[in-house]
Amino acid sequence: DGGITQSPKYLFRKEGQNVTLSCEQNLNHDAMYWYRQDPGQGLRLIYYSQIVNDFQKGDIAEGYSVSREKKESFPLTVTSAQKNPTAFYLCASSPPRMPGGTQYFGPGTRLLVL
Amino acid sequence: SQELEQSPQSLIVQEGKNLTINCTSSKTLYGLYWYKQKYGEGLIFLMMLQKGGEEKSHEKITAKLDEKKQQSSLHITASQPSHAGIYLCGADRTPLETSGSRLTFGEGTQLTVNP
Repeated sequence: DGGITQSPKYLFRKEGQNVTLSCEQNLNHDAMYWYRQDPGQGLRLIYYSQIVNDFQKGDIAEGYSVSREKKESFPLTVTSAQKNPTAFYLCASSPPRMPGGTQYFGPGTRLLVL
Repeated sequence: SQELEQSPQSLIVQEGKNLTINCTSSKTLYGLYWYKQKYGEGLIFLMMLQKGGEEKSHEKITAKLDEKKQQSSLHITASQPSHAGIYLCGADRTPLETSGSRLTFGEGTQLTVNP
């Protein structure tokens, strides 16, 4: 089955610790995205990548880092510089622009701070 | 995002009733996407609108985009408990010649359908 997988489903972070969220897709999509969702709010873009070895900051990139070494993978690291990391994190991917094209989302990872 | 406003924030309806959710943008859109989300899960794509005046339907859900491409509505006819969830609109402001699409999302509408 084609789709996007995110792991783990739940992640706990200690103060001052970096944690990495995994996102893998087998849809052969060029573009991948990371969003953050806080309770009662919509999604905010953290980082996005339109092609391997290239990525751009979104609206709330501070305290986060990404890499795009493979087309299938776009891991997100939440660094200790992110002071309020508790949120629901969603990964998405999309094909090149075309009429009717859309972003496809993974099931999400919930990050909690201990 | 203040650039994209959804209303209402929450909606409680009785099963069988019709309902409408609105999404308004302060800027012209290249595309408007509607998604549904169950709490704690990913987003499920519903529909995408690109042209002014466009209307699309799937089962009992109809989405429209106004002529100026700044306002969209999502209408559910004869609502069912399975329609419950969070509905999010996403606006595409990426130029068409760019690969991939960068979306800005509204805050979502929480829909409850009582049996």
